[in-house]
Amino acid sequence: NAGVTQTPKFRVLKTGQSMTLLCAQDMNHEYMYWYRQDPGMGLRLIHYSVGEGTTAKGEVPDGYNVSRLKKQNFLLGLESAAPSQTSVYFCASSRTRTSRYNEQFFGPGTRLTVL
Amino acid sequence: AQKITQTQPGMFVQEKEAVTLDCTYDTSDQSYGLFWYKQPSSGEMIFLIYQGSYDEQNATEGRYSLNFQKARKSANLVISASQLGDSAMYFCAMREREDGTSYGKLTFGQGTILTVHP
Repeated sequence: NAGVTQTPKFRVLKTGQSMTLLCAQDMNHEYMYWYRQDPGMGLRLIHYSVGEGTTAKGEVPDGYNVSRLKKQNFLLGLESAAPSQTSVYFCASSRTRTSRYNEQFFGPGTRLTVL
Repeated sequence: AQKITQTQPGMFVQEKEAVTLDCTYDTSDQSYGLFWYKQPSSGEMIFLIYQGSYDEQNATEGRYSLNFQKARKSANLVISASQLGDSAMYFCAMREREDGTSYGKLTFGQGTILTVHP
């Protein structure tokens, strides 16, 4: 099992460029999440999905779009990148509430720099 | 208002000693869960321990234990017998509405950097 994987690991963009971050999980999890991590602020939820074809906004959704066309994949898009979106992006997945622990499993992260 | 507060930006401990990392939380829910994650310098997020709000006993996982004081809304992580490999960033997180209606969403604190000295 690969767990949660993210592509790419690093990326540098110029202001105004667009890109898509890909997250894939092979654990058959229903729930998937995108977070961003900034110094001194912990992880903040951007968008999440509770199943194939469904997405919802998190705490900091502005400037991002997401799609979940397949259960195992969750894509995060930046249509017009801004320097404020320079961050480390984490994808995570979890089961539904069938497990008491039900911890989120995280991908390795994508370090994005917007110049 | 911050839902999860970690007031210690950095902590230092001698190898083989115990250390406590503080976490306070704010919620009006009766059913919630508290998590601790470790983030080493390599960047991955590693789940350490979970405490449910209705759990009567403090959670323990090997050298990790959670000092849960519900009335004070605190969920401090205790690491016993610190090792050099424990040097990392540690995050406290909360999942509200354990009835499932929060869809598993986590709210994280700012993190505490722990440095273990030999």
